Amino acid sequence: AQSVAQPEDQVNVAEGNPLTVKCTYSVSGNPYLFWYVQYPNRGLQFLLKYITGDNLVKGSYGFEAEFNKSQTSFHLKKPSALVSDSALYFCAVSPGGGADGLTFGKGTHLIIQP
Amino acid sequence: DAGVIQSPRHEVTEMGQEVTLRCKPISGHDYLFWYRQTMMRGLELLIYFNNNVPIDDSGMPEDRFSAKMPNASFSTLKIQPSEPRDSAVYFCASSPPGLSDTQYFGPGTRLTVL
Repeated sequence: AQSVAQPEDQVNVAEGNPLTVKCTYSVSGNPYLFWYVQYPNRGLQFLLKYITGDNLVKGSYGFEAEFNKSQTSFHLKKPSALVSDSALYFCAVSPGGGADGLTFGKGTHLIIQP
Repeated sequence: DAGVIQSPRHEVTEMGQEVTLRCKPISGHDYLFWYRQTMMRGLELLIYFNNNVPIDDSGMPEDRFSAKMPNASFSTLKIQPSEPRDSAVYFCASSPPGLSDTQYFGPGTRLTVL
């Protein structure tokens, strides 16, 4: 069975600073990895995904994520944080695509301070 | 496109009552998912459909929960009888053909069972 760990419940970053939201995964075979974002009182929105190829994946709103197979990690990053980036971020994993394999982490609250 | 539509947005009911949540997926999408989100358990997949057929309902907590998809543009999640522990936000999501792991979420229904 696959699993996702987001070790930080909350991350605080000053506006303009770089941000990182951590995610590690466990899955058999080659993983499909995802990041979703949830703004208050809204559903989740797809940010980006990694399937194969370049380990650095670029997504919406200037976010990117780095796949590291040896560390089984898929950390979300952004070079310069905006206050509007404040939200709940979910990492998800699938063992090889397909709806039945999508497992979400618990989520990390990202708070960008002005 | 209007996105995934869910109704009602908020539902308050008393223990023992029947609750029906509704979802209209994005037109042309052939996967539909029902999730439940709570502080304690995070985001849980309850059931998903492909081409109106239930594929995996292993996440449905118990027989009190049932879901139907009578056509490509409508699905319901029913709880009968409802219990206070069912209080949560219920999300519906849909995916386009061939991209079942890229899911578009609705705004959710916040259910409170007193």
